[in-house]
Amino acid sequence: DTAVSQTPKYLVTQMGNDKSIKCEQNLGHDTMYWYKQDSKKFLKIMFSYNNKELIINETVPNRFSPKSPDKAHLNLHINSLELGDSAVYFCASSLTGSNTDTQYFGPGTRLTVL
Amino acid sequence: GENVEQHPSTLSVQEGDSAVIKCTYSDSASNYFPWYKQELGKRPQLIIDIRSNVGEKKDQRIAVTLNKTAKHFSLHITETQPEDSAVYFCAASTHASGGSYIPTFGRGTSLIVHP
Repeated sequence: DTAVSQTPKYLVTQMGNDKSIKCEQNLGHDTMYWYKQDSKKFLKIMFSYNNKELIINETVPNRFSPKSPDKAHLNLHINSLELGDSAVYFCASSLTGSNTDTQYFGPGTRLTVL
Repeated sequence: GENVEQHPSTLSVQEGDSAVIKCTYSDSASNYFPWYKQELGKRPQLIIDIRSNVGEKKDQRIAVTLNKTAKHFSLHITETQPEDSAVYFCAASTHASGGSYIPTFGRGTSLIVHP
């Protein structure tokens, strides 16, 4: 009964490759997010997405793109991977219009680019 | 855009002592301020939050205060225990027109509670 799940947990790949990370939530939330946490633990929002809008952090390279097949899923596609993309990527979800804006995080995907 | 400063970056206390972590923000439109705890190798988890229309909120050993005028907010943990050891993140959030909120996180405080 995992609330927010991500796959894979670990991803090791070569520079220049294209990869995807999947995220699913079973909380009935309508908004999902992707975060990047670098080696210094800095947590930065990359995208916020619901059926009304996609908000992109302007510092995120356009090699990164979110894809949402339905409200329960928000996948992250990364093209032409670079060394600096190595980080832990967290998916999160929340319910807009609720009394709380709590974001529930997934377990994270550790991406290593060689 | 929003800028959140968090201090200290590391905080070491003895078990039973209090711990205080402080954050400042720059955007007066920010109206929601959550605090997350992240244990080593785990996901961030919300521990307490406060909205801009409230000055203080308490939940057992944890309390958060907000000063809108000065644009700063603080996390207070009393009677610290070794299991409180973790990285704590503050965030300041504004709501987008579609309803989602966009948080800007502080750089985190590594709290170490010595038995």
